Amino acid sequence: EPEVTQTPSHQVTQMGQEVILRCVPISNHLYFYWYRQILGQKVEFLVSFYNNEISEKSEIFDDQFSVERPDGSNFTLKIRSTKLEDSAMYFCASSGTGLTEAFFGQGTRLTVV
Amino acid sequence: GDSVTQMEGPVTLSEEAFLTINCTYTATGYPSLFWYVQYPGEGLQLLLKATKADDKGSNKGFEATYRKETTSFHLEKGSVQVSDSAVYFCALSGGGSGGGADGLTFGKGTHLIIQP
Repeated sequence: EPEVTQTPSHQVTQMGQEVILRCVPISNHLYFYWYRQILGQKVEFLVSFYNNEISEKSEIFDDQFSVERPDGSNFTLKIRSTKLEDSAMYFCASSGTGLTEAFFGQGTRLTVV
Repeated sequence: GDSVTQMEGPVTLSEEAFLTINCTYTATGYPSLFWYVQYPGEGLQLLLKATKADDKGSNKGFEATYRKETTSFHLEKGSVQVSDSAVYFCALSGGGSGGGADGLTFGKGTHLIIQP
C-alpha cells in the first residue's frame, strides 16, 4: 500500500541552527501539506503546496519556514534559525486532490536544545 | 475561523464497552468531517469521513454521522477492544473559502485507553 515517508524520524538540533525535514509523498498525489504537533497539543496546519507553489499557509508559517519540492519525489520543510518552541512532531501529508483524504507520514520529532 | 472541539481525555473504558467521543465544529462553509487515529509511535491514519450532512462514515466498527443541525460528528463504537487504545482526532476541511488546499483543522485529540 502506498504511504508517505518522512526522514529522519527524530532530529535534535541546537537553537539557531537550520533544519530540513524531508518527506516523500505518495507518487500520484498533487497536494502536499505540513502540520506540526507540539507535545500535548493539537495538530496544527502549517502549509499546503500545489503546482509547485504554496496554496495556503497558517499564521504559524512565517518567514522562518519554507517549503520546496526540489525534484519529482521529495517535499521538504526548512526551518531557519530554530527556536526552542519549534520543538514538535512535524507531519507531512499528501492527497490526490485537494478534496480527498490526506495521508499522513509517521512524523519527524524535532527537538531543539 | 474554523474550529473543532472534542472531549478531553483520557477516556478509560473496559473491553466490550460502548464508546462515544464527542466532536462539535464551527465552520463558515460546508466542511468535510474526519476522524483520524494515532496509535502509539505511529502517524495519523484516517479512520472515517463524511462529506455532507447526514452522511455516516464507518470503518473497523466505528461510526460517525455528520449532523449539520447540531454541528456535530460524534464517534461511536459498540464494543471496544484493547487494540483500539489510541488518540482520536476529529478534523474538518473545506469549511472556508480556501477550497481543498486549506488543510485540516484538528481538535485537540482524545486519548482512549481500553483495559482488558
